[in-house]
Amino acid sequence: ILNVEQSPQSLHVQEGDSTNFTCSFPSSNFYALHWYRWETAKSPEALFVMTLNGDEKKKGRISATLNTKEGYSYLYIKGSQPEDSATYLCAFNSGNTPLVFGKGTRLSVIA
Amino acid sequence: NAGVMQNPRHLVRRRGQEARLRCSPMKGHSHVYWYRQLPEEGLKFMVYLQKENIIDESGMPKERFSAEFPKEGPSILRIQQVVRGDSAAYFCASSPIGNTEAFFGQGTRLTVV
Repeated sequence: ILNVEQSPQSLHVQEGDSTNFTCSFPSSNFYALHWYRWETAKSPEALFVMTLNGDEKKKGRISATLNTKEGYSYLYIKGSQPEDSATYLCAFNSGNTPLVFGKGTRLSVIA
Repeated sequence: NAGVMQNPRHLVRRRGQEARLRCSPMKGHSHVYWYRQLPEEGLKFMVYLQKENIIDESGMPKERFSAEFPKEGPSILRIQQVVRGDSAAYFCASSPIGNTEAFFGQGTRLTVV
């Protein structure tokens, strides 16, 4: 059974603070690691798809890194804003398996 | 190009009734995934389908639950004889080929009373 762990479960930061959270996944049979952003009452929205060890992706103030050998990915948010408040999900798949999701990190940015 | 469409958005069923949840994938997508979110839980995989085929149903309860994705029309997740524990948000996602980025619908929130 594939297990994807995310930490912390929830996080409260002040506006302007930078923050990061972790996704751990099985290091064997790696195919891709996905990050999603999920706002309340909306559908999960894809942020990044990462496939190569050492990959680093960036979208605005949000960036992510990937270490497939040790099985972790970090998501960073620089200068958090209230509109960044959401649940951030990571999902892993290997070979022909569907995406397996972590439980998410719930971020609240306080103005 | 409309996104993944799920309907209904909210569904209320009495215990013992049947629930039918529909998912129309994005245009050009032939792979559909169903996930369930229980309170305080993350998204849990249920079933992965291609047109007319079930590829992986390892996350689907063995009884009362079934899914299909016919050649024409939406994918249907069917829950027979619903119980209170089936109350959850059910999300559908689609992708153009397997193992690539999946795009999600807004979910169907099922409440069993």
